[in-house]
Amino acid sequence: EAQVTQNPRYLITVTGKKLTVTCSQNMNHEYMSWYRQDPGLGLRQIYYSMNVEVTDKGDVPEGYKVSRKEKRNFPLILESPSPNQTSLYFCASSKLAGDYEQFFGPGTRLTVL
Amino acid sequence: EDQVTQSPEALRLQEGESSSLNCSYTVSGLRGLFWYRQDPGKGPEFLFTLYSAGEEKEKERLKATLTKKESFLHITAPKPEDSATYLCAVQEASGTYKYIFGTGTRLKVLA
Repeated sequence: EAQVTQNPRYLITVTGKKLTVTCSQNMNHEYMSWYRQDPGLGLRQIYYSMNVEVTDKGDVPEGYKVSRKEKRNFPLILESPSPNQTSLYFCASSKLAGDYEQFFGPGTRLTVL
Repeated sequence: EDQVTQSPEALRLQEGESSSLNCSYTVSGLRGLFWYRQDPGKGPEFLFTLYSAGEEKEKERLKATLTKKESFLHITAPKPEDSATYLCAVQEASGTYKYIFGTGTRLKVLA
């Protein structure tokens, strides 16, 4: 089954404790992206990757890191999480970088205390 | 600054009562405009892509249209299962491949 998977689905952590949210897709997609979704602010893009070793900032990259060492995986790293990073995070992938439909993962609900 | 604005924020319809959702955008050039549906607790699900003014696409009770400044998602004779949040997104025709999403319209269709 074609899908985007994220782990963990739920995470409660404390300020400053480094964490990684994993994202994997099995569709051989070149484009992958991370979003956060907050009430009243909608979906905002954090980082995206057009292919292996090619990443770029979205609108809200501060406090996040990403890497794309393999085509199927695109982890999101929070090196020193803060309470304002409490949010619902979505990973997405699409066939290519430009104007293609994105397939979204199920989401990761992160709470930083 | 690139921007996407959706209206209304929330909409309640009776089953069978047709209506339209609006997505207005300001970008220097449009590569594509996308509509997604999002059910509670789930990731968005793709509905349509529109590329140029005058373009229309249909799927079951949904029809999306595009002008130079806005897009409409028309819902004809909606059913309760159409209840969801509908998201609009744009990708600018520049060197970047960023997406900008609107905040969505929460649609509730009452039986």
